[in-house]
Amino acid sequence: AQSVTQLGSHVSVSEGALVLLRCNYSSSVPPYLFWYVQYPNQGLQLLLKYTTGATLVKGINGFEAEFKKSETSFHLTKPSAHMSDAAEYFCAVSAQTGANNLFFGTGTRLTVIP
Amino acid sequence: DAGVIQSPRHEVTEMGQEVTLRCKPISGHNSLFWYRQTMMRGLELLIYFNNNVPIDDSGMPEDRFSAKMPNASFSTLKIQPSEPRDSAVYFCASSSRQGMAGELFFGEGSRLTVL
Repeated sequence: AQSVTQLGSHVSVSEGALVLLRCNYSSSVPPYLFWYVQYPNQGLQLLLKYTTGATLVKGINGFEAEFKKSETSFHLTKPSAHMSDAAEYFCAVSAQTGANNLFFGTGTRLTVIP
Repeated sequence: DAGVIQSPRHEVTEMGQEVTLRCKPISGHNSLFWYRQTMMRGLELLIYFNNNVPIDDSGMPEDRFSAKMPNASFSTLKIQPSEPRDSAVYFCASSSRQGMAGELFFGEGSRLTVL
């Protein structure tokens, strides 16, 4: 079975500051890991994903995440927050084999303070 | 290309009424997912289909919920009878990779309010 835990349901950062959103996963098999972003009144959009290979993955809008197997983590970072980054962010996991459904975390709402 | 299209975007109904939500996946995608999003429970997978066949419906909360996918370009999620606790945003998503994790493309959701 797969699951993810997102630490912190709300995160506030100043514009230009580092963004760090935390995600820890649990999986009995090698995982695929994802970060999605949801803007108000919209569906979710893929930011980035880890499948295999390089553990540091880069996504859209300057975001990146690092897969750390030893820590079972997949934290999302961005060096400098922009006002347009304000949204809700979801970490998700699926198994590398078998079913292709995603299991989502509870989300982290990012607020960017001018 | 058009994305995942859901209708209606908003639905307000009274308890006991039947509700039907519709989804048109991206052309060529062979997996379709229905999710429900609430403040209390977050995003929950209700059911998903591969090649129009339901694969896992363990997330469907009760027998009042049913989903169908009669062809590759259309799916419905029906609630009958509806209850206030069914109020949520229902998302449909599709994917082109069966058997491995691929990117899910989400629709804009159907916001259901049951009075």
